[in-house]
Amino acid sequence: AQSVTQPDIHITVSEGASLELRCNYSYGATPYLFWYVQSPGQGLQLLLKYFSGDTLVQGIKGFEAEFKRSQSSFNLRKPSVHWSDAAEYFCAVGERPSGGSYIPTFGRGTSLIVHP
Amino acid sequence: NAGVTQTPKFRVLKTGQSMTLLCAQDMNHEYMYWYRQDPGMGLRLIHYSVGEGTTAKGEVPDGYNVSRLKKQNFLLGLESAAPSQTSVYFCASSYSGDVLEKLFFGSGTQLSVL
Repeated sequence: AQSVTQPDIHITVSEGASLELRCNYSYGATPYLFWYVQSPGQGLQLLLKYFSGDTLVQGIKGFEAEFKRSQSSFNLRKPSVHWSDAAEYFCAVGERPSGGSYIPTFGRGTSLIVHP
Repeated sequence: NAGVTQTPKFRVLKTGQSMTLLCAQDMNHEYMYWYRQDPGMGLRLIHYSVGEGTTAKGEVPDGYNVSRLKKQNFLLGLESAAPSQTSVYFCASSYSGDVLEKLFFGSGTQLSVL
């Protein structure tokens, strides 16, 4: 079965600093990988996704993520964080059990705190 | 365009009471999902549906039932609420789960069971 690990529960950065949120997955085949962001009191919004092809994917709000098969990782990055980026970030992987429907599995989330 | 709408937004129940959470989407999506979100646990899938009239169990289905009588609606029921079901519930939908298209999420329902 697939699993997603986000090892950092909280990350604190200063505004303007760079950011990297870690995500590791466990899945036998090539996974479908996603990053979602959740602002306080809101549902989740898709930042970016990886299905195949170029391993560096660009998303909305200036975010990017790199798929590294050798490390089973899909880390999220942003070169300069803005105060409005403070939110909960979820990594997710999609699996198709027994050739059925794709089922998304989410990590437990990383809370990003941005200091002025 | 409303997207995914969840009702109610907040609810307080006593142990043993029943209730139904409604999820409605106006995007003609085939796939719908119910998740619960708990601190430190992320989102866990309760039940999902791949089309009208179909439902399937997710990771944590016990204590919940669902129905998808109409394509646009996905109902989550708690027959006898327990304090362990205190959580934030999110509904999501996607056009086609075949390639795991983007999930559209509702804004959540905060449920407290006393």
